[in-house]
Amino acid sequence: AQSVSQHNHHVILSEAASLELGCNYSYGGTVNLFWYVQYPGQHLQLLLKYFSGDPLVKGIKGFEAEFIKSKFSFNLRKPSVQWSDTAEYFCAVNLNRDDKIIFGKGTRLHILP
Amino acid sequence: GAGVSQSPSNKVTEKGKDVELRCDPISGHTALYWYRQSLGQGLEFLIYFQGNSAPDKSGLPSDRFSAERTGGSVSTLTIQRTQQEDSAVYLCASSLQVQSYGYTFGSGTRLTVV
Repeated sequence: AQSVSQHNHHVILSEAASLELGCNYSYGGTVNLFWYVQYPGQHLQLLLKYFSGDPLVKGIKGFEAEFIKSKFSFNLRKPSVQWSDTAEYFCAVNLNRDDKIIFGKGTRLHILP
Repeated sequence: GAGVSQSPSNKVTEKGKDVELRCDPISGHTALYWYRQSLGQGLEFLIYFQGNSAPDKSGLPSDRFSAERTGGSVSTLTIQRTQQEDSAVYLCASSLQVQSYGYTFGSGTRLTVV
């Protein structure tokens, strides 16, 4: 079945550590890729998106993600995390021929001050 | 409006009662989506409306769930004879074009069935 897999359910890091959250999907066609973030008590917000072109995309707050087509991956990275990055992060995929977005189960990121 | 508005923000209901959840999308967004967010389960697609087309109901978990979208704008999600497993956060999102913009989400309705 088509799916989006996020490898880490819960990640704990200290401030200034580097972050990489894994995401893999199982669709074979043309895809659009997203990372959404949900800060405590807030609604889901778009962090970054990939539609075409440069596979390395940059988003808000210093986040970036790299689309590797051969690996069906779209991992999220940040070189130095801050306490304010504590949130839940969702990887999501849209098939270009479809109008729905399929979400992974999320990764809870906790940054220690 | 400026964002996607959902009401109520919290709802506590007794098992067996019916509930209605409301979503007011961003003006001009033709697509409207309902998802359910449960702890550890991520976001589960429920139903999708696009313009005047028939809705995509493929994600509705049972016939107790239904949704309407009146006048291409406001949508209501109705859950009949609520069960404890229906407890979750119900999220509404709207979009102008998913492939280019993704979704804009509302703040959700937290439903608790007791």
